[in-house]
Amino acid sequence: EPEVTQTPSHQVTQMGQEVILRCVPISNHLYFYWYRQILGQKVEFLVSFYNNEISEKSEIFDDQFSVERPDGSNFTLKIRSTKLEDSAMYFCASSGVGANTGELFFGEGSRLTVL
Amino acid sequence: GNSVTQMEGPVTLSEEAFLTINCTYTATGYPSLFWYVQYPGEGLQLLLKATKADDKGSNKGFEATYRKETTSFHLEKGSVQVSDSAVYFCALRAGTASKLTFGTGTRLQVTL
Repeated sequence: EPEVTQTPSHQVTQMGQEVILRCVPISNHLYFYWYRQILGQKVEFLVSFYNNEISEKSEIFDDQFSVERPDGSNFTLKIRSTKLEDSAMYFCASSGVGANTGELFFGEGSRLTVL
Repeated sequence: GNSVTQMEGPVTLSEEAFLTINCTYTATGYPSLFWYVQYPGEGLQLLLKATKADDKGSNKGFEATYRKETTSFHLEKGSVQVSDSAVYFCALRAGTASKLTFGTGTRLQVTL
């Protein structure tokens, strides 16, 4: 069964360092997303991406964040200068059908710890 | 804006007990509604969904009915198992927006 894969599963970094989280969405999907979940809290939307551009982003997704689909298969989330409060589980998701009803398939997450 | 409200957890039940996790929503238009489950150490998995009023989603013994009149999508299971212990998230997708809006999640702990 096709699945969304994410790397790394866990990354520890120092505050102020750049981090890139990688995702390989399901191959025929068209919509891509990043969510995050701070420990013990709700799953929060960060950004959605379609047709090689951001289609929607939340207030969390400020200038420190960027996304890219560099090669038609990977979908990356970059945090330029990490802060302590960026520590969270980051989930990538993709969907393949119309925006309103298509199921989102999630990866297993990348846990980011900022020290 | 769109929002999802779930009952506070944790919910602790004995095996074979009846489960209800309440979920209500606020949305413009006619949202699709989802329940996702997160088992310990894992990602989010779709448990069930309903795309229009009065639809019933079901999977693995879990059910939820899309009630437009009460803007609710409560999750139920007649007889829970220890293996159902997880965090359950109610979510919606509304209008032309493509994102999912999640509730806070409800942790279920089932004991023998």
